[in-house]
Amino acid sequence: DAMVIQNPRYQVTQFGKPVTLSCSQTLNHNVMYWYQQKSSQAPKLLFHYYDKDFNNEADTPDNFQSRRPNTSFCFLDIRSPGLGDAAMYLCATSRGTVNQPQHFGDGTRLSIL
Amino acid sequence: GENVEQHPSTLSVQEGDSAVIKCTYSDSASNYFPWYKQELGKRPQLIIDIRSNVGEKKDQRIAVTLNKTAKHFSLHITETQPEDSAVYFCAATLYSGGGADGLTFGKGTHLIIQP
Repeated sequence: DAMVIQNPRYQVTQFGKPVTLSCSQTLNHNVMYWYQQKSSQAPKLLFHYYDKDFNNEADTPDNFQSRRPNTSFCFLDIRSPGLGDAAMYLCATSRGTVNQPQHFGDGTRLSIL
Repeated sequence: GENVEQHPSTLSVQEGDSAVIKCTYSDSASNYFPWYKQELGKRPQLIIDIRSNVGEKKDQRIAVTLNKTAKHFSLHITETQPEDSAVYFCAATLYSGGGADGLTFGKGTHLIIQP
């Protein structure tokens, strides 16, 4: 059974039109992460939440925002998508304590028209 | 911040042979080193991980070694099979009592198992 669920699997949006990607988890993990993975590249961390504490990576564009209304859900908002934002977006969770791995969802592939 | 280098970018081995992928990291404070396997269009899946207080870990055909002094770690796959074909990513992070930073990934190794 999927424990980190991302919806939708595929998302198409227009250049400049805001889009929201969602992630939910059934693991009750403290930490939720968002990664961006472009074609043939490694996943790159955008930001993460430890409980309600938001941690932004220094080089994450302002165009990317996140919300975590409760333990189970986390959203990635792209305010004005550009062509360079086309990528796979991966959500991951972990307990956030020593010796606990990160578990990834299947990702949302975002296309920009 | 952490920087992880991974080599080689592509590795082709004959079925049944061994494969070795190597990574180096820059931040001596990093204490957790996972390896992920990613098949085309699918999620990264954790295959093995190692903590900084351990030098080697094995799980059936897969092993990981860590040299903290040299700041490098390696993945070893023995008796390779066609289903081992995928992209493999190494990663590093610091897990502290106060939380967990995200993973810094290497650029990936495309492992091809030749029948």
